[in-house]
Amino acid sequence: DVKVTQSSRYLVKRTGEKVFLECVQDMDHENMFWYRQDPGLGLRLIYFSYDVKMKEKGDIPEGYSVSREKKERFSLILESASTNQTSMYLCASSFGQVGSPLHFGNGTRLTVT
Amino acid sequence: KNQVEQSPQSLIILEGKNCTLQCNYTVSPFSNLRWYKQDTGRGPVSLTIMTFSENTKSNGRYTATLDADTKQSSLHITASQLSDSASYICVVSALRNAGNMLTFGGGTRLMVKP
Repeated sequence: DVKVTQSSRYLVKRTGEKVFLECVQDMDHENMFWYRQDPGLGLRLIYFSYDVKMKEKGDIPEGYSVSREKKERFSLILESASTNQTSMYLCASSFGQVGSPLHFGNGTRLTVT
Repeated sequence: KNQVEQSPQSLIILEGKNCTLQCNYTVSPFSNLRWYKQDTGRGPVSLTIMTFSENTKSNGRYTATLDADTKQSSLHITASQLSDSASYICVVSALRNAGNMLTFGGGTRLMVKP
């Protein structure tokens, strides 16, 4: 069974702090994604990666960066956390073939105070 | 602009009853449509995928339909159980040169009461 593991379930950070969210998948998936989920807005794509060291901006990349140094690991970085980045962050992975399902982690609820 | 609209936003039903969730989309060119179930505090899990040529597909008590002409899909849940309480998210995939592009609906929150 595919497992996507996010390093923290809950995080509380202060405004201006640098925040790292880590995600690891164990199925040798080519694609990895970071989404944020907010009530009334659904899931919105922040960044995705289709290969090691490759990254593409999603719909809302401002204020975020990512790193993919190894195939199984995809990190989301908040360079200087702000209160409007308080949200649920979901990592997902998938094979590269068209139609492959996303496999999600259980999310990290980040609160920025 | 690609959009996916789901209705209703929320729904409360009694255990054992049936229900139908709707998904309307304006995504082009269409590749496929997936329904995901998201339990509280968990990530979404794929229930079923519908491609252009498929009208109906079942997964246990879940039956998805697709009308590619009207760009509508539905998810029908039969004989609901308390464990069906979750958010259901419709995700439509569009073909792009660089691969698929996904558009998410806002979800329907279903509560099944005993």
